[in-house]
Amino acid sequence: QKEVEQNSGPLSVPEGAIASLNCTYSDRGSQSFFWYRQYSGKSPELIMFIYSNGDKEDGRFTAQLNKASQYVSLLIRDSQPSDSATYLCAVNMSGGSQGNLIFGKGTKLSVKP
Amino acid sequence: EAQVTQNPRYLITVTGKKLTVTCSQNMNHEYMSWYRQDPGLGLRQIYYSMNVEVTDKGDVPEGYKVSRKEKRNFPLILESPSPNQTSLYFCASAGQGTTGELFFGEGSRLTVL
Repeated sequence: QKEVEQNSGPLSVPEGAIASLNCTYSDRGSQSFFWYRQYSGKSPELIMFIYSNGDKEDGRFTAQLNKASQYVSLLIRDSQPSDSATYLCAVNMSGGSQGNLIFGKGTKLSVKP
Repeated sequence: EAQVTQNPRYLITVTGKKLTVTCSQNMNHEYMSWYRQDPGLGLRQIYYSMNVEVTDKGDVPEGYKVSRKEKRNFPLILESPSPNQTSLYFCASAGQGTTGELFFGEGSRLTVL
């Protein structure tokens, strides 16, 4: 069974702090990794994708990938109340076609003013 | 504007009354998929399609049908809806040779009484 695991939270951080969201996946052959943000009742929207080991930065967001540990994380610097949402980790596992992503259940983030 | 369009956005129906949720994308994407999202269970894939006339079951296909007669459309059919199909449904699409990002529709909230 190919799985993506996330801590469901809620993760609560104060405004301005760094929020760290973690995700592990079961398939060692997985190739691509995505972080989506989802506000309550809305559709998921892509924040970042990462393919290679290491860090990838985009504004206040940094995705980190460690394929040996089968671990991917998302750091949000200078967290804002508008970052309060559920963050979904998604993985395209080996043998999966483009777009056939396995999603974790999401981590709910709350940023307190 | 590139988008995935679902209809209806909201629907209340009764047990056993057949319904269809339409999904259309204007990005010429090969891959399309349907998910349902329930509290605590995350996004679960119902069916997916890798191209016209090619469909396959996801994790929770029971009680649903799909068809892919045209590249842009991927309707979800509930032949005899039951209350356990009350959920938030998302259609999504992705293109070959891209990042593999899934583009989501705005969601369809279905209530079966």
